Amino acid sequence: AQTVTQSQPEMSVQEAETVTLSCTYDTSESDYYLFWYKQPPSRQMILVIRQEAYKQQNATENRFSVNFQKAAKSFSLKISDSQLGDAAMYFCAYRSAGRNDMRFGAGTRLTVKP
Amino acid sequence: EPEVTQTPSHQVTQMGQEVILRCVPISNHLYFYWYRQILGQKVEFLVSFYNNEISEKSEIFDDQFSVERPDGSNFTLKIRSTKLEDSAMYFCASSIQGLLTTGELFFGEGSRLTVL
Repeated sequence: AQTVTQSQPEMSVQEAETVTLSCTYDTSESDYYLFWYKQPPSRQMILVIRQEAYKQQNATENRFSVNFQKAAKSFSLKISDSQLGDAAMYFCAYRSAGRNDMRFGAGTRLTVKP
Repeated sequence: EPEVTQTPSHQVTQMGQEVILRCVPISNHLYFYWYRQILGQKVEFLVSFYNNEISEKSEIFDDQFSVERPDGSNFTLKIRSTKLEDSAMYFCASSIQGLLTTGELFFGEGSRLTVL
């Protein structure tokens, strides 16, 4: 079974600085998708960024980018120029191609200090 | 902006009682999901639903759980006889795409279930 591990339960960053959240996963599959979801205190999870495993190029969405290392099964999220609104719980998630169930990591709580 | 809505936001029930959690997915979405998050633990997949039937379910989704889409808009999760360990936040999600695509999920704000 696929597992997703987020080894950092909590992280903090100074406003305007850069922070990297770690995620590793375990799978024997070659075709899958990876996601980072953000869950602000209002509880609704929203998609931050996604990566298709077949793409070598790392995904980027404005201040958010990933470092996808397929061989190492690593999928870290980098947040540049951190803003107060970035404070949230961040979940890394995995989904096999051809399946609808998404596997989540335990989450990393990010605090942004002014 | 369209969103997934869930009711109730919080429900307290006695052990053994039936509970129905309701969700209104985004209107043009075709795939529907329930996830749960026990306090302090991972978000766990329960079930996916497409074309009026369950497409996948986890080992958590046993005979005590059922889902239905009774009227083409609501998507409900029923727990027949609640147990203490069913206490969790239940998230509904929907997606316009499913298999073979990135299938971005749109989540509701969750329904917190407390079983006493």
